[in-house]
Amino acid sequence: TQLLEQSPQFLSIQEGENLTVYCNSSSVFSSLQWYRQEPGEGPVLLVTVVTGGEVKKLKRLTFQFGDARKDSSLHITAAQPGDTGLYLCAGKAGGSEKLVFGKGTKLTVNP
Amino acid sequence: DAGITQSPRHKVTETGTPVTLRCHQTENHRYMYWYRQDPGHGLRLIHYSYGVKDTDKGEVSDGYSVSRSKTEDFLLTLESATSSQTSVYFCAISLAGGGADTQYFGPGTRLTVL
Repeated sequence: TQLLEQSPQFLSIQEGENLTVYCNSSSVFSSLQWYRQEPGEGPVLLVTVVTGGEVKKLKRLTFQFGDARKDSSLHITAAQPGDTGLYLCAGKAGGSEKLVFGKGTKLTVNP
Repeated sequence: DAGITQSPRHKVTETGTPVTLRCHQTENHRYMYWYRQDPGHGLRLIHYSYGVKDTDKGEVSDGYSVSRSKTEDFLLTLESATSSQTSVYFCAISLAGGGADTQYFGPGTRLTVL
């Protein structure tokens, strides 16, 4: 069974601080996605990474896929209260039609 | 907007009653998924479909059945609801099978089984 371990599980920071969320596995994934979910809503896709070592930027968010395609990180620069939410990573193994999700990181950015 | 709706959005039912949740898409995508989301467990796959009348089990399929008679509709049925099935249920679609496809989620159904 493939597992994705996310850390930290909870994160509470002040506006303007930087943070990093990690997503780790012993399995290799052909792609990895990051989602953000707000209370009462479904997850919304932020980014997909597919190449080992790939780095993608989305405004203040930087996503990196590990060289071995077993791990990923999400870095937020100068966090804002609007970044508050549950961040989920999800991986897809080659040939599979299913995503494996991490349990999520609940981020709170205080003004 | 991937054109996914779920109904009902909220439901309270009693143990032992049958419950059917509906997922409807307007984009004619082949792959559809049902997940449940619980504190401490994240999103877990219940069943998925890769075409009309083509379905397969996920990691937590016991107590659930699905049907897909039309491309646009994917139904999740709890034949006899139990309190352990209290959860938030999400439907998702995938824009393409294989490779770096990604999933788009509906707004969710909050189900409470008393």
